[in-house]
Amino acid sequence: AQSVTQLDSQVPVFEEAPVELRCNYSSSVSVYLFWYVQYPNQGLQLLLKYLSGSTLVKGINGFEAEFNKSQTSFHLRKPSVHISDTAEYFCAVSDPAGGSYIPTFGRGTSLIVHP
Amino acid sequence: ETGVTQTPRHLVMGMTNKKSLKCEQHLGHNAMYWYKQSAKKPLELMFVYSLEERVENNSVPSRFSPECPNSSHLFLHLHTLQPEDSALYLCASSQDERVRGTEAFFGQGTRLTVV
Repeated sequence: AQSVTQLDSQVPVFEEAPVELRCNYSSSVSVYLFWYVQYPNQGLQLLLKYLSGSTLVKGINGFEAEFNKSQTSFHLRKPSVHISDTAEYFCAVSDPAGGSYIPTFGRGTSLIVHP
Repeated sequence: ETGVTQTPRHLVMGMTNKKSLKCEQHLGHNAMYWYKQSAKKPLELMFVYSLEERVENNSVPSRFSPECPNSSHLFLHLHTLQPEDSALYLCASSQDERVRGTEAFFGQGTRLTVV
């Protein structure tokens, strides 16, 4: 079964600074990768996904992520964060080898943007 | 209404009570899910329904009982819960859990407190 590791439980950053949230997954032949965001008292919302093709994926709200197969990573980046980006971010992976595309989620990373 | 709607948003129940959580999706999806989100733990997949048939049950205690009367509605019936069952319960839907790269759309969740 797939596993997802989000190395940082909390990432504090100042407004307008760049940020990277790290995600690593256990190796598989082919996987599909997702980043979700959860604002306080809300459900999860899809930021971006990687299925195939270009390894650099652009999502909503200025976020992007890069798929690195050799390092089994899918780190999320934003060049300049806003206060409104303060939220919980979840990396997820689905592994079709098991016959299903149901994603497995990481523990989440809390992004805290300070003024 | 659009998206995935969960009711109630908040629920406090005693250990001897019986209650139900409701989820409704207006996206025309075929698959629906229940997740449990506890503090600082990965999202735990509880149940998956595809075309109203339960396709996955991740060793969830029998005090949680799902029901899927049609592809738009999903219930989670609760009885004789324990305090450790207090968590955010998230409902999600997707086009089909067997479709490549399908992403899940989440409701806002029900915050459950067992006293």
